[in-house]
Amino acid sequence: DQQVKQNSPSLSVQEGRISILNCDYTNSMFDYFLWYKKYPAEGPTFLISISSIKDKNEDGRFTVFLNKSAKHLSLHIVPSQPGDSAVYFCAASYNNAGNMLTFGGGTRLMVKP
Amino acid sequence: EPEVTQTPSHQVTQMGQEVILRCVPISNHLYFYWYRQILGQKVEFLVSFYNNEISEKSEIFDDQFSVERPDGSNFTLKIRSTKLEDSAMYFCASETGGRDTEAFFGQGTRLTVV
Repeated sequence: DQQVKQNSPSLSVQEGRISILNCDYTNSMFDYFLWYKKYPAEGPTFLISISSIKDKNEDGRFTVFLNKSAKHLSLHIVPSQPGDSAVYFCAASYNNAGNMLTFGGGTRLMVKP
Repeated sequence: EPEVTQTPSHQVTQMGQEVILRCVPISNHLYFYWYRQILGQKVEFLVSFYNNEISEKSEIFDDQFSVERPDGSNFTLKIRSTKLEDSAMYFCASETGGRDTEAFFGQGTRLTVV
């Protein structure tokens, strides 16, 4: 079951530059998308989300873009900082209370000083 | 900041034994979840729980698994007879519910079945 896919298992970026993490989905019923960040030995931490009625949501250094026609979303981090180094998971759900999240496989971001 | 807490952080158990993983969700949250992540694989949904009953469950959540909220604060996942393939990180999550809300995750319990 590959309803949510993150095709890049890892990404390395220089500090201060932009990090772009990508995510594709196949289920057109998904209408709410989230990005979580995960450090080793910790649980996923919510980062930012977007509803399908929007195509962009911004929070500080983090921006999520949604292209519904392409079933694609991306997370932009700018400027990238070494503390951003973690695994980033894309997740999708049907935007009703109590609905499960379907996760992508994650992308390991390494921000080099 | 309120957080979801899970105990224990690491549980080692013999195959065939019962284990109970414990979670204290955020106090005003109404929806509770268990997810798991087998090493090197995706985070997978197991079950969601609302109003003292299961609202959704995945194929993974078979008769060996059960959940309960025994006292209004704890939320537990029981695995009746553990198998080697149950070894994974188990994450509890909770959310307030409603549109455009996000689930908050605990730090996880690493279950090792030997």
